[in-house]
Amino acid sequence: GAGVSQSPRYKVAKRGQDVALRCDPISGHVSLFWYQQALGQGPEFLTYFQNEAQLDKSGLPSDRFFAERPEGSVSTLKIQRTQQEDSAVYLCASSLARTGRNSNQPQHFGDGTRLSIL
Amino acid sequence: GNSVTQMEGPVTLSEEAFLTINCTYTATGYPSLFWYVQYPGEGLQLLLKATKADDKGSNKGFEATYRKETTSFHLEKGSVQVSDSAVYFCALLNNAGNMLTFGGGTRLMVKP
Repeated sequence: GAGVSQSPRYKVAKRGQDVALRCDPISGHVSLFWYQQALGQGPEFLTYFQNEAQLDKSGLPSDRFFAERPEGSVSTLKIQRTQQEDSAVYLCASSLARTGRNSNQPQHFGDGTRLSIL
Repeated sequence: GNSVTQMEGPVTLSEEAFLTINCTYTATGYPSLFWYVQYPGEGLQLLLKATKADDKGSNKGFEATYRKETTSFHLEKGSVQVSDSAVYFCALLNNAGNMLTFGGGTRLMVKP
């Protein structure tokens, strides 16, 4: 399909395990974003890539969270030593252009990965 | 920092009723404003947007006007349908253009 693809759709892990969440953005999209959506709340910004460069990671809640986009396309969000409070839906979005004051390219979202930590 | 506040749900309406979902924001500068919709089991979809004061975004019968004087971006629809049942999120884009700040979402339930 032509949209943002995320996998797996659902992930269950035991507390303390490491998890990796994958995002395939729309082909050719320069900007990629990760958000965390807790149950019943709006998404919250985690991090942003422009091509392979991670330009903003101010929303990552702790050093257990790590994101990469080594070739400027697919991105992986890794969570180490998972905790119960990490349970949420993790959303990936991409947009065509570089961001900036005059850029109003919409962010296109995937369906998310629902992470449950037992 | 930036923030978005929207009315809590659920909002329950009968088919063909008029819809208003309130949204107000706090931000520096002149952010762009958005409404996203999340249907059950699906991801967020952009519904409409407005990029400057007094702009009106519209799509699928929904409208919202960027009101700088009241820092608001209320969503309206004249006649809702059962298929409009979803969660609606108001959001603003920061000046750097790299971060969306979302409200908490409003669940709309439309009964036939």
